[in-house]
Amino acid sequence: EVQLVESGGGLVKPGGSLRLSCAASGFTFSSYSMNWVRQAPGKGLEWVSSISDNSHYIYYADSVKGRFTVSRDNGKNSLYLQMNSLRAEDTAVYYCATKPGSNSPFDYWGQGTLVTVSS
Amino acid sequence: EIVMTQSPATLSVSPGERATLSCRASQSVSSSLAWYQQKPGQAPRLLIYGASTRATGIPARFSGSGSGTEFTLTISSLQSEDFAVYYCQQCNNWPLTFGGGTKVEIK
Repeated sequence: EVQLVESGGGLVKPGGSLRLSCAASGFTFSSYSMNWVRQAPGKGLEWVSSISDNSHYIYYADSVKGRFTVSRDNGKNSLYLQMNSLRAEDTAVYYCATKPGSNSPFDYWGQGTLVTVSS
Repeated sequence: EIVMTQSPATLSVSPGERATLSCRASQSVSSSLAWYQQKPGQAPRLLIYGASTRATGIPARFSGSGSGTEFTLTISSLQSEDFAVYYCQQCNNWPLTFGGGTKVEIK
C-alpha cells in the first residue's frame, strides 16, 4: 500500500523558515517524480514544486521560486521542501504527491501538513 | 501559463441524478487532463487521467471526455459519497495548473 506522510508544518513568523518532509513507503520511491501541492484555507489547489526521480529535473511555481528548495533522498525514501522567507500567503496545507512520469497526473497524495505564517 | 477554468462553481444535484462538470484550458493540453475529487478535511483523490481513463478503483459512474481545450466529467447517478469538490488539472505543461474547482452539493 502506498503511503505518503508529511511532517514539519507549524506556525512560523513572516520571514521565517520551515522544512517539510514527506516519508514514502509501499512503492519504489526512486522511480517516481515527487511533488508538492498546496491548498490555502478555503481555496483551491496550487502546484508548488516537482523533482524528478534522479533529482536532475526540478521545477518551481513562480510564487515560490527563489524562496523554496525541493530535494529528495532516495536512500531514505524521503522528499523535502525547504521554505525560506515565508509570507502570509504561503499559509496552506502542503501535500506531497507522486507523479509516475511526464504528462502523468498526481496519482497518490499524502494527508498534508499545515503551515501557518503569522506574526 | 495555461489557465484552467471550471464551470459551474457550484452544482446542486439530487441523489440519483446526473452531474456534468466542465473544464476549459486556455490552450490545448491534448489529452493530458486529470480530474480529482476532494472531500472536506481529506487529500484530493485521482479520479480520471488522460482525459478519459478511470484511475484504479474508481466506479464506472464516473466518466471523462474531451481533448484539446474542452473537457467534461460526468457522474451518471450521484451517490451520497459523491458530494464533494472536483478539480481538473492539466498535466502537459509547466507550470502544472489546476482549475478553481466545482462544488457538487445536495439539492
